[in-house]
Amino acid sequence: NAGVTQTPKFQVLKTGQSMTLQCAQDMNHNSMYWYRQDPGMGLRLIYYSASEGTTDKGEVPNGYNVSRLNKREFSLRLESAAPSQTSVYFCASSEDLDSQETQYFGPGTRLLVL
Amino acid sequence: SQQGEEDPQALSIQEGENATMNCSYKTSINNLQWYRQNSGRGLVHLILIRSNEREKHSGRLRVTLDTSKKSSSLLITASRAADTASYFCATTKKGGGSRLTFGEGTQLTVNP
Repeated sequence: NAGVTQTPKFQVLKTGQSMTLQCAQDMNHNSMYWYRQDPGMGLRLIYYSASEGTTDKGEVPNGYNVSRLNKREFSLRLESAAPSQTSVYFCASSEDLDSQETQYFGPGTRLLVL
Repeated sequence: SQQGEEDPQALSIQEGENATMNCSYKTSINNLQWYRQNSGRGLVHLILIRSNEREKHSGRLRVTLDTSKKSSSLLITASRAADTASYFCATTKKGGGSRLTFGEGTQLTVNP
């Protein structure tokens, strides 16, 4: 099993450009999450999806949209990138939202917005 | 705002020594988890302790939880250079399901 995979690994954007970060998991998990990590800080939740077909805002949703394409895939879209969105983005999954169990993380996407 | 605060922010020790990291949080929790992040990599789950537990062990890891003080500690015994990483505590809140709120992390350096 690959676990949680993310693409791309690294991306440079100009201010105002758009892009979609892809995430997929092969563990048959119901819940998926998107976090951002800024230098010297812990992770902050952007959006999450409790199950296929549902999405909800996390702590820092502004400037982002998400799509839960199917049970395996959860994408994060930046419609008009801003320098403040320079960060490392992590996708994670868990069995389900109510299990309160561990989350499994992807390797991250490093995004630089110029 | 971050739920957890970790202390110290950075810790440097010699191989073989023990490393202790502390985490404080603000609201009632269901469980507290510790994750490890190697430089440039994703997070890896280490250990989970539930709100009704006081201590848990896993290999060289020992976690304690004091809900009255809203704090937890992670002890790594007999540290190795390979333990060099950032360590994060994360909590799930009552009624919050599996959503995690992370602390800012402790950077541990184990010198050979």
